[in-house]
Amino acid sequence: KAGVTQTPRYLIKTRGQQVTLSCSPISGHRSVSWYQQTPGQGLQFLFEYFSETQRNKGNFPGRFSGRQFSNSRSEMNVSTLELGDSALYLCASSVEGGFNSPLHFGNGTRLTVT
Amino acid sequence: GESVGLHLPTLSVQEGDNSIINCAYSNSASDYFIWYKQESGKGPQFIIDIRSNMDKRQGQRVTVLLNKTVKHLSLQIAATQPGDSAVYFCAENWDTGFQKLVFGTGTRLLVSP
Repeated sequence: KAGVTQTPRYLIKTRGQQVTLSCSPISGHRSVSWYQQTPGQGLQFLFEYFSETQRNKGNFPGRFSGRQFSNSRSEMNVSTLELGDSALYLCASSVEGGFNSPLHFGNGTRLTVT
Repeated sequence: GESVGLHLPTLSVQEGDNSIINCAYSNSASDYFIWYKQESGKGPQFIIDIRSNMDKRQGQRVTVLLNKTVKHLSLQIAATQPGDSAVYFCAENWDTGFQKLVFGTGTRLLVSP
């Protein structure tokens, strides 16, 4: 079974631009979560989607948004990019998002904002 | 490779030794815990999980111990191999019913041949 696939692998953007990251979950997984990883803050929860609905959201500004499609694929968008948005953005999927379905992560999209 | 964390605590062991990685979690209401391994340039890889109604769980070469009294998790790796070199994160689920994980800062494990 293929793992979680994230595209693109690397992105370089300029301050003020916006960016869209894509995630394809493991086949059969209906829950998709997004995390931001930085050396200073570590891994931080952004949001979680299940059946096209956002069920949970972390403490990030409204510039960070996401969506999930009917095939469970997900995208996240960051508008008006800031230098501090430079990070590794990780997508993870699980069967249902509950206790019996641990998260499985992709290898991330490395975003650099200049 | 990509840097996961610049100032992580580091555990250095010799190949064949047993390794113990510790983690203090923050929320006494957390009821689900996971250990992840992250190699350079990759996303976190699931190792083992444990529910709060358990004290111990064993996998292949790994054991997780949970002490709820002091809010402490540990990951034991038996017969550590060079391929085990990575950053290890513990994570706790803060939101009952949903996967909203709060991750620890991580520990870098270095295994020398």
